Amino acid sequence: AAGVIQSPRHLIKEKRETATLKCYPIPRHDTVYWYQQGPGQDPQFLISFYEKMQSDKGSIPDRFSAQQFSDYHSELNMSSLELGDSALYFCASSLAGGVGEKLFFGSGTQLSVL
Amino acid sequence: AQTVTQSQPEMSVQEAETVTLSCTYDTSESDYYLFWYKQPPSRQMILVIRQEAYKQQNATENRFSVNFQKAAKSFSLKISDSQLGDAAMYFCASYPSHGSGNTGKLIFGQGTTLQVKP
Repeated sequence: AAGVIQSPRHLIKEKRETATLKCYPIPRHDTVYWYQQGPGQDPQFLISFYEKMQSDKGSIPDRFSAQQFSDYHSELNMSSLELGDSALYFCASSLAGGVGEKLFFGSGTQLSVL
Repeated sequence: AQTVTQSQPEMSVQEAETVTLSCTYDTSESDYYLFWYKQPPSRQMILVIRQEAYKQQNATENRFSVNFQKAAKSFSLKISDSQLGDAAMYFCASYPSHGSGNTGKLIFGQGTTLQVKP
């Protein structure tokens, strides 16, 4: 079965650079979530999209932005990177609006800021 | 606001034995879901089991089962016949139903690292 695909798997950037993370949800899933997981920490919700519109916002820095495109894939854009942005970034997708939503996670993008 | 608490940072179990991981949560939502996710060293986040709050019957998935106590806001995970492959970080999480008007972001607990001894 198709899963959530994230690219790239690993990304190394310098401070103050820009990074773009991509997420391709499971086919027919209309909701995408982004989470940030620091070393030894639980995942923290950043932002979500439902039907290409932002549906909720968590602890996402102003330096970050995201969008969901017409094919439902999503991109997380991160600018002016800081050392503290080094983390595992998960994307998850679900089929919203019905009973029994399950979030399925991608393998994550490991971002290292040097 | 929802909170999820896992009070056991680490647990260990002997292979083939049973272990229970604890989780408590707090929510003002009337309808919600509870999950256990497993994160092995590969750091892939894998759904283990899901419980719908309006169902009194405890969810079961093969060797994994939950003890859902709604009034006590407790949601523990029992792993029977533990296997070496069960070694991982386990996260408890809550998720309000879209029907409650929320967008349904998943709220995670702090995680419990499970060690399985051969």
